[in-house]
Amino acid sequence: EAQVTQNPRYLITVTGKKLTVTCSQNMNHEYMSWYRQDPGLGLRQIYYSMNVEVTDKGDVPEGYKVSRKEKRNFPLILESPSPNQTSLYFCASSLYGQGAYEQYFGPGTRLTVT
Amino acid sequence: RKEVEQDPGPFNVPEGATVAFNCTYSNSASQSFFWYRQDCRKEPKLLMSVYSSGNEDGRFTAQLNRASQYISLLIRDSKLSDSATYLCVVNIVGNEKLTFGTGTRLTIIP
Repeated sequence: EAQVTQNPRYLITVTGKKLTVTCSQNMNHEYMSWYRQDPGLGLRQIYYSMNVEVTDKGDVPEGYKVSRKEKRNFPLILESPSPNQTSLYFCASSLYGQGAYEQYFGPGTRLTVT
Repeated sequence: RKEVEQDPGPFNVPEGATVAFNCTYSNSASQSFFWYRQDCRKEPKLLMSVYSSGNEDGRFTAQLNRASQYISLLIRDSKLSDSATYLCVVNIVGNEKLTFGTGTRLTIIP
C-alpha cells in the first residue's frame, strides 16, 4: 500500500530534550516536506527536500533540523524543544517538487512540549 | 493581508443542500490551485485540483477567477460524509512552496 508513515504518532516531552520524528514514504517520491498545523494558522511548511541531500527552509524553520540521506526517509529533529513547538506535525511527499503534484500526507504526530 | 484567505465557518448545512466556499489569494503570480479535505484529527487529502476553465468531479465543482483572485468549491446534494474541513491551497509560479488556507469547516446536518 502506497503511504507515508510517521512515528511516533503522539509524544509528550519536556523542554530541552532532543527528539526525532521519523517520516518514511514508499512511493519513490522525490519531494518531501514537513508542516506544522496550529489552530487559526493553518498548515505552515517547516522544511522541504527536493531530493536526496537537498533540503531547504520553509516558512517556519527556526528550532528544527532535517536530513535527507535516503530517498524514502526525511526525519524532523528538534534539538532543544520548547513549549511553542507544541503542535500537530505532518510529513508529506509528492512525486516531484510542489506545484502541480498531489501531496500525500502522513497521519500526523501530535507533540506536546511541557 | 494573508496570502490565502478562507472563511473559517463553521458552515452548518442540511443534508441534500448545496453549499459553496470561496477562497481568495493575494499573489497574482499564483499558478496552481487545489482543494484538500481534512477530516477531524486526520491528515489532509487532495479533493481536487482547480483548472482555469473550471472542473467538476461528481458532486464537486471547482472554479477559478483570476481577475478577482479567488477560487471556489461547490458541493451539490451534500452528504453526511462531506462533513470535514476544506483547505484551499495555492502555489506560486517558480516557487516550490504550497500555501495553505486555514480551512473552512463544514458540518452536514441530518
